Amino acid sequence: DVKVTQSSRYLVKRTGEKVFLECVQDMDHENMFWYRQDPGLGLRLIYFSYDVKMKEKGDIPEGYSVSREKKERFSLILESASTNQTSMYLCASSFRVSGDYNEQFFGPGTRLTVL
Amino acid sequence: DQQVKQNSPSLSVQEGRISILNCDYTNSMFDYFLWYKKYPAEGPTFLISISSIKDKNEDGRFTVFLNKSAKHLSLHIVPSQPGDSAVYFCANDMRFGAGTRLTVKP
Repeated sequence: DVKVTQSSRYLVKRTGEKVFLECVQDMDHENMFWYRQDPGLGLRLIYFSYDVKMKEKGDIPEGYSVSREKKERFSLILESASTNQTSMYLCASSFRVSGDYNEQFFGPGTRLTVL
Repeated sequence: DQQVKQNSPSLSVQEGRISILNCDYTNSMFDYFLWYKKYPAEGPTFLISISSIKDKNEDGRFTVFLNKSAKHLSLHIVPSQPGDSAVYFCANDMRFGAGTRLTVKP
């Protein structure tokens, strides 16, 4: 079974702290993604990566950065956490496939609260 | 700009009846539309897809219909079961709708 794991299920941080959210997948997927899920807004794409050391901005990258030093690991960084970054963060991965549907496999999510 | 919209935040149906979840899109950037299902405290899981060259795809109790002229797709669940109670997301590539919370009452 494909497994996507996230380092924490729940996290509480203070405003201004630097926050690292880690994601690891074990299926040798090329693509990795970070989303945040908020009520009424669904899943919004923060950043994604097609390969090691590659990153692309999603729809809401402001206030976030990412790192992908190894194929299996994709980290989301909040440089200076703010209360409006309180959210559920979901990591996902997928194969790089063209010409066919390309389902994403999601981790269980990290519920981040910024006080 | 690619957008996927689910305008119904919630839906409640009786067990055994049909559930119909709707999704609209503006510009399709990817050849497939996917539906995901999400239970509380879990990540979304893939449910069913449909190619943009088809108008219907069926998998057991789940059928997805695509109307390209209307830029609309729908997920039908027949018969609905209490275990189907979850949030359903429509997606096109990396763009997801806001989700619809389905509650199936026994």
